[in-house]
Amino acid sequence: ETGVTQSPTHLIKTRGQQVTLRCSSQSGHNTVSWYQQALGQGPQFIFQYYREEENGRGNFPPRFSGLQFPNYSSELNVNALELDDSALYLCASSLGAQGPTDTQYFGPGTRLTVL
Amino acid sequence: GENVEQHPSTLSVQEGDSAVIKCTYSDSASNYFPWYKQELGKGPQLIIDIRSNVGEKKDQRIAVTLNKTAKHFSLHITETQPEDSAVYFCAAGLYDKVIFGPGTSLSVIP
Repeated sequence: ETGVTQSPTHLIKTRGQQVTLRCSSQSGHNTVSWYQQALGQGPQFIFQYYREEENGRGNFPPRFSGLQFPNYSSELNVNALELDDSALYLCASSLGAQGPTDTQYFGPGTRLTVL
Repeated sequence: GENVEQHPSTLSVQEGDSAVIKCTYSDSASNYFPWYKQELGKGPQLIIDIRSNVGEKKDQRIAVTLNKTAKHFSLHITETQPEDSAVYFCAAGLYDKVIFGPGTSLSVIP
């Protein structure tokens, strides 16, 4: 196991609602990255946080936001949910500041369904 | 924009045979090439990675080769076992961004 946990495992929301997903990184890992994985596709990079500051972002709108806390936990918040937001959301922790180009340890993901 | 292609999308091999998955990338500046294995209901797990100053890397039954001139890299799994059955993703990265391929579903038939 990677030592990265995510909650909840599954979540069902309706269009227009807001959702918060949570991740607990490996102790000592200063970077957390979030990914969206649609069914049958590879993960897509949303953003990453290094020591509680966002320091990299993919092609996702501002309604996707995040927080990272000093205790190695983090959140992904999505506002105004759309049907296309239905996906598996993955967080990954890494030791250094580069995030995706460091060795990343993924959590099991949260399956979000938007109706 | 940056793109990573991966072939084949599905692959079936007999137990004990070798499996090869190939990827190409578009951004010539990419310098980090990880491979991930994802089993059902789990997150991706890094199985091997290679950086652009290395042409080949091996770890037991798994090897990766990189051709920077042609912008392609490959994963080789020898002596496949049923527990190798999973979806495999290649990725190409630079600094703080990694682009994943669409995945290859590998089935190892006992």
